[in-house]
Amino acid sequence: SYELTQPPSVSVSPGQTATITCSGDELPRKYAYWYQQKSGQAPVLVIYDDIKRPSGISERLSGSTSGTVASLTISRAQVEDEGVYYCYSTDYTGNHRGVFGGGTELTVL
Amino acid sequence: HVQLVQSGAEVKQPGASVRVSCKASGYNFSTYVIHWVRQAPGESLEWMGWINTGRGAGKNSQKFQDRVSITRDTSASTVVLELSSLISKDTAVYYCARNGVGENERPFNYYMDVWGTGTTVTVTS
Repeated sequence: SYELTQPPSVSVSPGQTATITCSGDELPRKYAYWYQQKSGQAPVLVIYDDIKRPSGISERLSGSTSGTVASLTISRAQVEDEGVYYCYSTDYTGNHRGVFGGGTELTVL
Repeated sequence: HVQLVQSGAEVKQPGASVRVSCKASGYNFSTYVIHWVRQAPGESLEWMGWINTGRGAGKNSQKFQDRVSITRDTSASTVVLELSSLISKDTAVYYCARNGVGENERPFNYYMDVWGTGTTVTVTS
């Protein structure tokens, strides 16, 4: 079955830049989406269609893609950016079945 | 505004089935796909399936192929997830979520935007 691979954790100092990666063989052909989840809360969409940012999401968050790797960049990191970030995409079968990465816990300290 | 309100917490025995409902409001129900996603304690998000609320057809994760049923009642703007043959590993928070774009929008892609309130399902003997 199709898999998306993320690093388990990323740490960044306040004000610095963090990058979270997501690897998947179908990402050159399928869009990547990014969700932020804080403890006890439902996920929130922060990036869609690889690079687009929903209204209300900080401009400090940006998405990019290169080959089989999609990336989420958090610039000028703040404590409020802490949480678990999940990438999401759909599989290669044409049935549009979804798949999540394992999640990356972002710590700002 | 768009809201997805889910049914309350459930406690089930192994082998039983559970039904979780998701009532939508604030938009034209039949023009958006609804997804189901679950999250076991301390684990990652897991996509379970989606339903086209207009046509009633959908796709489920192959992991749950035989145990999951997703249906909709357009008159009640409600989608129902039914999971059968429950085991302890099905203990999780179950979320419904609306698709990011409506069926008539282009480009159309399958992803989750607005999320439901979440329903905790506990499977225990």
